[in-house]
Amino acid sequence: KNEVEQSPQNLTAQEGEFITINCSYSVGISALHWLQQHPGGGIVSLFMLSSGKKKHGRLIATINIQEKHSSLHITASHPRDSAVYICAVSLSFGNEKLTFGTGTRLTIIP
Amino acid sequence: NAGVTQTPKFQVLKTGQSMTLQCAQDMNHEYMSWYRQDPGMGLRLIHYSVGAGITDQGEVPNGYNVSRSTTEDFPLRLLSAAPSQTSVYFCASSYSYPSGGSYEQYFGPGTRLTVT
Repeated sequence: KNEVEQSPQNLTAQEGEFITINCSYSVGISALHWLQQHPGGGIVSLFMLSSGKKKHGRLIATINIQEKHSSLHITASHPRDSAVYICAVSLSFGNEKLTFGTGTRLTIIP
Repeated sequence: NAGVTQTPKFQVLKTGQSMTLQCAQDMNHEYMSWYRQDPGMGLRLIHYSVGAGITDQGEVPNGYNVSRSTTEDFPLRLLSAAPSQTSVYFCASSYSYPSGGSYEQYFGPGTRLTVT
């Protein structure tokens, strides 16, 4: 069983819809990262969080440490949001090694 | 800042050949790592380094070698390429706080390697 599980694996939505991508992990962590990867492109860090909630533009990330669960929300989705979203965790403080989920492929239809 | 750079972008090797994937960063980050990305699997850690002169193995180190002679550079060597090493390779870097904490990771653009 993967230590980091994402759902759904694939998500197709209409432009303007509210998007939620989920990430669950099975061990204690020091931080959780949300990453974005466009087709054929590199990987960009969106958020790093260890508690609560962060917001950047139309993206919101939340984490519940007790439930070992995080969500990434996209409001007013746009075709340019189409990408693979990857959840990753740092397992211990001072240890930057990441364990990754397999990603959620998001497609936003105009 | 150029951030994290990787060369080459694409490479085709024959089985048994060796090569070095280059990675450099200009952000004075202590921590650098190499990952491989395969279809249907999450990124997996190959090797990592917490500073010049210090390297350690990750989850899938077999067939790969690394060294860290400077803070800026972290090359990955394929000793004798095999078809199972066909993958996309990403280098990443971040600050590393010895007594705790985590930092945002910066990824290079990737190297797509095919071994025939």
